[in-house]
Amino acid sequence: DVKVTQSSRYLVKRTGEKVFLECVQDMDHENMFWYRQDPGLGLRLIYFSYDVKMKEKGDIPEGYSVSREKKERFSLILESASTNQTSMYLCASSNPSGLTDTQYFGPGTRLTVL
Amino acid sequence: SQKIEQNSEALNIQEGKTATLTCNYTNYSPAYLQWYRQDPGRGPVFLLLIRENEKEKRKERLKVTFDTTLKQSLFHITASQPADSATYLCALATGGGNKLTFGTGTQLKVEL
Repeated sequence: DVKVTQSSRYLVKRTGEKVFLECVQDMDHENMFWYRQDPGLGLRLIYFSYDVKMKEKGDIPEGYSVSREKKERFSLILESASTNQTSMYLCASSNPSGLTDTQYFGPGTRLTVL
Repeated sequence: SQKIEQNSEALNIQEGKTATLTCNYTNYSPAYLQWYRQDPGRGPVFLLLIRENEKEKRKERLKVTFDTTLKQSLFHITASQPADSATYLCALATGGGNKLTFGTGTQLKVEL
């Protein structure tokens, strides 16, 4: 079974703090994704990565950065957290097959910025 | 603009009935469409995939249809059970196949 783990289930930070969210997958997947999920807005893609050290902006990259130094690990960084970044953050991974791209999700991190 | 629409209102049905959820999209030509299930406080879990050249796909009590002319997918759960209560998300392959764009989801409640 594919397993995607996220470093924290719940996190509370203060405005202006630097926040790291970690994601690890154990299936040697090439693709990894970071989403945020908000009521009424659904899942929105922040950043994704096709390979180590590669990253591409998703639909809402502003205020975020990412790092992928190893294939199994994809980190989301909030350089200076703001209250509008309070959300559920979901990491996912997939293996590009050319025909399908089923994504496997982690359990999510609920981040509250005070 | 590109849009994926799912009914934002919760769907309440009685146990044993068939639940039908709708996913409509505009301005996309997806190679395939996926359906995911999400339980409260958890990440989505993949259920089914249907390709653009397939009309229908089945898996146990689940059935998905895909009409590329209407730009619509229907997701059916037959003989529904309270354990089927969850939010169901549709997702379209966009931007080169590795990216998915998700709808906002429809919450299903199956009552005894």
